[in-house]
Amino acid sequence: QITVKESGPTLVKPKQTLTLTCTFSGFSLSTSGVGVAWIRQPPGKALEWLTLIYWDDEKRYSPFLKNRLTITKDTSKNQVVLSMTNMDPVDTATYYCAHIKVRSGSYDYWGQGTLVTVSS
Amino acid sequence: QSVLTQPPSVSGAPGQRVTISCTGSSSNIGAGYDVHWYQQLPGTAPKLLIYGNSNRPSGVPDRFSGSKSGTSASLAITGLQAEDEGDYYCQSYDRSLSNSGVFGGGTKVTVL
Repeated sequence: QITVKESGPTLVKPKQTLTLTCTFSGFSLSTSGVGVAWIRQPPGKALEWLTLIYWDDEKRYSPFLKNRLTITKDTSKNQVVLSMTNMDPVDTATYYCAHIKVRSGSYDYWGQGTLVTVSS
Repeated sequence: QSVLTQPPSVSGAPGQRVTISCTGSSSNIGAGYDVHWYQQLPGTAPKLLIYGNSNRPSGVPDRFSGSKSGTSASLAITGLQAEDEGDYYCQSYDRSLSNSGVFGGGTKVTVL
C-alpha cells in the first residue's frame, strides 16, 4: 500500500527558503520507473505543477519557477525534499507531493497536502 | 493563464451527462502526451480519475470516461450524482516547457 505525506513549516517569512519533505512508503525510489512530483494549490485557485524526480535522478522543473526550485531524493530514507528560495506571499499555498504512476505520468497517490503561509 | 484550457464551470441535474473539455496545443496534447484527469472534492486532495487519456484506476466508477483527439481531451460524467460535485483538472506534459507537467485551470462541476 502506497502512502505519501508532506511535512515542513506552516509559516515562512518573505525572502526565506522553504524546505518541504515528502516521506513515502509502499515503493522505493530505487525501482525503475518510479517517481515523485510536487504540486501546489493557492487558496481557492487551481493546481500548479512544480517539479518531479525519477528513480534515475532525472529531474524536471516548472520553467516559471525553475530558478527557485530544487528537488532531491534520499532513497535510504524514502524521502524527497523540495526547496524553494526567496519565498513571497504569492507562494502561499497547499503543497502536495504525489507518487507517479509507472509508465503513465499520472499521479496516482497524493499526500494530504501541507498549507504553507508566507507572511512577515 | 493555464497551459491547458478548461471551462470554469459546468452543471447538470442528477442523472444527466456532462462533459469537460481540455484544450491544449501542438506542444502538449497534440505532441502525443497523454492526458490525465483528477477529481478534487471540497477540502480534500486531488484523486486520479482517468489516466492515459481513457483508463480508469481501480475503484473509479464507469460513469467517468475520458477521450483524446488532436490537441484536446474531454472527460464525460454520465448519470451525474450529487457526490460528483467538485473540481476537475486535466494534466499533461509540454515539450516546449522542458517536458514539465502542466495542469488545466480546473472546472467546477455543480449538480443542480
